[in-house]
Amino acid sequence: NAGVTQTPKFRILKIGQSMTLQCTQDMNHNYMYWYRQDPGMGLKLIYYSVGAGITDKGEVPNGYNVSRSTTEDFPLRLELAAPSQTSVYFCASSGAQGPNTGELFFGEGSRLTVL
Amino acid sequence: GQSLEQPSEVTAVEGAIVQINCTYQTSGFYGLSWYQQHDGGAPTFLSYNALDGLEETGRFSSFLSRSDSYGYLLLQELQMKDSASYFCAVRAAGNNRKLIWGLGTSLAVNP
Repeated sequence: NAGVTQTPKFRILKIGQSMTLQCTQDMNHNYMYWYRQDPGMGLKLIYYSVGAGITDKGEVPNGYNVSRSTTEDFPLRLELAAPSQTSVYFCASSGAQGPNTGELFFGEGSRLTVL
Repeated sequence: GQSLEQPSEVTAVEGAIVQINCTYQTSGFYGLSWYQQHDGGAPTFLSYNALDGLEETGRFSSFLSRSDSYGYLLLQELQMKDSASYFCAVRAAGNNRKLIWGLGTSLAVNP
């Protein structure tokens, strides 16, 4: 049972480059989330989705874009990478009861460095 | 604004009991969750409290007092593998199923 899978695990970008972080889940979860975590800090919500075709901004959406064309996939796009986007990115999902129980399932993270 | 407060660091010895507190200020409240995160790893769900009282799951228990806007995670019979960061998170009313996260408590378990 794969759960939530993120790729790549590590990436170094140059300032101004663009890239997409991939996230896929095989649990048929409606809710998906992208978080970033800076060293020694908590999780900040970038974007989230309550189902295919529906996305919404979180706390820190600037510089990012998402799409949700299928239930399984929720890619995060970074346009014009900046050093401030150096962080660990986590994708998470939850089922129908997840928002009511606070239970999210996380991927292993993607560590991004922008130089 | 909405905020959660938890201690930044806690140290304990193997076999001991430790309590990690979390106080919250949110507009409306549905429940309090706890997550564990080992260095470099993904957060993993530990527990959820929507009602007042104590929930026990093995060595870990979680408590909630809605009237005091306060909860805690209790870890018993500490083991070295419990060294990790612990985050509290609140589902607040009107947040459309989003969680508000604390900054995390780093727990170091020493021999």
